Amino acid sequence: EIVLTQSPGTLSLSPGETATLSCRASQSVSSNYLAWYQQRPGQAPRLLIFAATGRAIGIPDRFRGSGSGTDFTLTISGLEPEDFAVYYCQQYGDSRGFTFGPGTKVDIK
Amino acid sequence: EVQLLESGGGLVQPGGSLRVSCVASGFNFGSYAMSWVRQVPGKGLEWVSSLSESGYSTFYAASVKGRFTMSRDSSKNTLYLYMNSLRADDTAVYYCAISGYSAYECAYWGQGTLVTVSS
Repeated sequence: EIVLTQSPGTLSLSPGETATLSCRASQSVSSNYLAWYQQRPGQAPRLLIFAATGRAIGIPDRFRGSGSGTDFTLTISGLEPEDFAVYYCQQYGDSRGFTFGPGTKVDIK
Repeated sequence: EVQLLESGGGLVQPGGSLRVSCVASGFNFGSYAMSWVRQVPGKGLEWVSSLSESGYSTFYAASVKGRFTMSRDSSKNTLYLYMNSLRADDTAVYYCAISGYSAYECAYWGQGTLVTVSS
């Protein structure tokens, strides 16, 4: 199965700053089927980005997904207070298993 | 509005069985792929299984293959996860989710149901 590695594990930033989150796959992700999710404490995850670059309905344009193949990035421009959360990437291009990364926590500096 | 409501979680002994359900509303149930994802409280997300839009293809994580079965009943707008030979490491909140954009991304999620495997 494809293993996803997310870095950094924790990102400490101030509101208004830009967050850059990385997701690296152990093999190329078919059709760039890579999604990003946000999870706030006590809540279910929320889809932000699908197919590496597509923004889900209702997601602010400060969230941008980029990358292809094995290297993907989620950029959050101008962090708002509600953006401090845990972010996960998931690949769904390998039918052997649609694996998640371990997550990156974005917390307030 | 898309709504997903899981139920059926609870306490079960190791080696036991349990069925969790997910009732869906607000969308054409037969038009989307669906998935189960679990999360140990305080830990990360783990994909468990997915069912294709057509219902003909199912995919399972290695950790549950042969023990869990995913199915759906379109007449009841309900998704099921049958869990057998449960182990302590199956303890988690189980979420159901549906796709909506490309393939098997989890576009909409339920609030989850807690399954605890313990003697």
